[in-house]
Amino acid sequence: GQQVMQIPQYQHVQEGEDFTTYCNSSTTLSNIQWYKQRPGGHPVFLIQLVKSGEVKKQKRLTFQFGEAKKNSSLHITATQTTDVGTYFCAGPNQAGTALIFGKGTTLSVSS
Amino acid sequence: NAGVMQNPRHLVRRRGQEARLRCSPMKGHSHVYWYRQLPEEGLKFMVYLQKENIIDESGMPKERFSAEFPKEGPSILRIQQVVRGDSAAYFCASSPVGQGAGGTEAFFGQGTRLTVV
Repeated sequence: GQQVMQIPQYQHVQEGEDFTTYCNSSTTLSNIQWYKQRPGGHPVFLIQLVKSGEVKKQKRLTFQFGEAKKNSSLHITATQTTDVGTYFCAGPNQAGTALIFGKGTTLSVSS
Repeated sequence: NAGVMQNPRHLVRRRGQEARLRCSPMKGHSHVYWYRQLPEEGLKFMVYLQKENIIDESGMPKERFSAEFPKEGPSILRIQQVVRGDSAAYFCASSPVGQGAGGTEAFFGQGTRLTVV
């Protein structure tokens, strides 16, 4: 079945270092979405990418959608302690009835 | 505009009891999704409902689990005869349109943490 994979599963950085998480889908996606879940919290939408090769920025966060629309990445520049949490990518299933989530990358930041 | 409301936030049930989880979508949203999350796991899709209709229940176990989204009132995820393996966080999400044809942001509730003892 359709799978969405993310690496790494965990990443620990010192405050100020950069962080990147990678997302790969077993199928071509019409769009990819990124969510952040703080510890004990619920997933919160960050962004949606639709076009092949699309790059979007939100302050220190840069999101990229691959040319083949099967992979994506999230890069955080100069991490802060507020960036702590789990970052999930998600894409629609083939039927377009649900989002299929990766297992997420959990980021911890030490000051 | 209130967000997606789920209740209860925490639910403890003994093995064999029933668990009822409620979800009120955002105002104007007719598309509701239920997800299950185990510790340090991703979100596993369970069921997708669109006002009174179950559109996709491919992620929901065939036995003991059921979902509904009545014309009036919240969506309900019902788990009968709970077992320890049902312990998890259950999240509901809603969206104004479906995930087909371009997709759309899903708004998540704060979840119900179910513990089966």
